[in-house]
Amino acid sequence: QLQLQESGPGLVKPSETLSLTCTVSGGSISSGLYYWGWIRQPPGKGLEYIGSTYYSGNSFYNPSLKSRVTILVDTSKNQFSLKLSSVTAADTAVYYCARHVPEVAAGTDYFDYWGQGTLVTVSS
Amino acid sequence: DIQMTQSPSSLSASVGDRVTITCRASQSISTHLNWYQHKPGKAPKVLIYGTSSLQSGVPSRFSGSGSGTDFTLTISSLQPEDFATYYCQQSYTSPFTFGPGTRVDIK
Repeated sequence: QLQLQESGPGLVKPSETLSLTCTVSGGSISSGLYYWGWIRQPPGKGLEYIGSTYYSGNSFYNPSLKSRVTILVDTSKNQFSLKLSSVTAADTAVYYCARHVPEVAAGTDYFDYWGQGTLVTVSS
Repeated sequence: DIQMTQSPSSLSASVGDRVTITCRASQSISTHLNWYQHKPGKAPKVLIYGTSSLQSGVPSRFSGSGSGTDFTLTISSLQPEDFATYYCQQSYTSPFTFGPGTRVDIK
């Protein structure tokens, strides 16, 4: 059974960089069949797609965050990571990592396995 | 970005009830519509992808329909484990966007 687990600091200061890691177990990031993505949910608000990456390192991002986001992959550790720079209180959210099934595989893109999420608070 | 809306925002229902949740897109998304179930503190779970395809392992009481801008998630007979928040998500174009959610409570 595929499992994803987010990890990283729960508190980040304003203007600093938020860094999270997603560890994948029960399957290989390098299989080449899937993308690997990040989604977030601010308190009391809806879900927001951040971006996705392929095992080769090819990534694509939500334009609203593109200038501040980097998603990287480490196949040797079966992990992928999220970096969000210049954070503000508006970036306070539960951050989820998920496996992204591409349209070529299922006729549409969707997220079939998710981590439980990790709360990141931006505050001084 | 494509805006997604859901109705109702919340509903109360009893075990055994038939429940219908509606999702509307701000422009046509063909059948690129997915549904997720989310319980507090748990990982979201995909129920339906591509409007009507049931994800492996999901009970057949869940079904989806629609096309273009209007979509529906139906739970044919609500079970105790179905009390949760349900989100729709469009994957017609990036950035993928989610609806605001529909919370299903016990009546």
